[in-house]
Amino acid sequence: DQQVKQNSPSLSVQEGRISILNCDYTNSMFDYFLWYKKYPAEGPTFLISISSIKDKNEDGRFTVFLNKSAKHLSLHIVPSQPGDSAVYFCAATSPGGTYKYIFGTGTRLKVLA
Amino acid sequence: DADVTQTPRNRITKTGKRIMLECSQTKGHDRMYWYRQDPGLGLRLIYYSFDVKDINKGEISDGYSVSRQAQAKFSLSLESAIPNQTALYFCATSEHGTGDQPQHFGDGTRLSIL
Repeated sequence: DQQVKQNSPSLSVQEGRISILNCDYTNSMFDYFLWYKKYPAEGPTFLISISSIKDKNEDGRFTVFLNKSAKHLSLHIVPSQPGDSAVYFCAATSPGGTYKYIFGTGTRLKVLA
Repeated sequence: DADVTQTPRNRITKTGKRIMLECSQTKGHDRMYWYRQDPGLGLRLIYYSFDVKDINKGEISDGYSVSRQAQAKFSLSLESAIPNQTALYFCATSEHGTGDQPQHFGDGTRLSIL
């Protein structure tokens, strides 16, 4: 049973426009949510995180929004750049203090020049 | 030099062979993890270790074993490889702390079992 879901396998956006990547989860006890970016032949790299007690976190062009009632988070990239083309994974940390990650299946973002 | 180094980067082997994937880190982190990535399934946790004397199973540990030889080294073994263990394997590290401490990943080992 997939506890963290990314229902869009791919997304294409024009350069300069906003990219919105979505993630849904089922466990209301998750403590933190994180976004990772992955280029081909490289490991995932950390992008941004948000605590379950917050509803927004911003870092430069990247903003993560958390809607706890809907069990939904989203990553906004504004403006999108060709270098943002990658696979994006959302992850949630399991409750209980071990902070193990549960990953979504990823969304491939393509930013068109 | 990479902070988290995985060797080998690619490996092709046959069913029934014993395989060891190695991970070393220079970040000084206590926590280390092994994941596998399969198409359409994201990354799934195989084993994790919070210090040299601590080893824990993840969600898909069957068919795998690990060894934490030192703070900086964490190896993953497939005792008798089978084709459905063909996947991309990642090692990661993190510091102690709360859940927003990011994990730092190596560049992966692509393993193919024929």
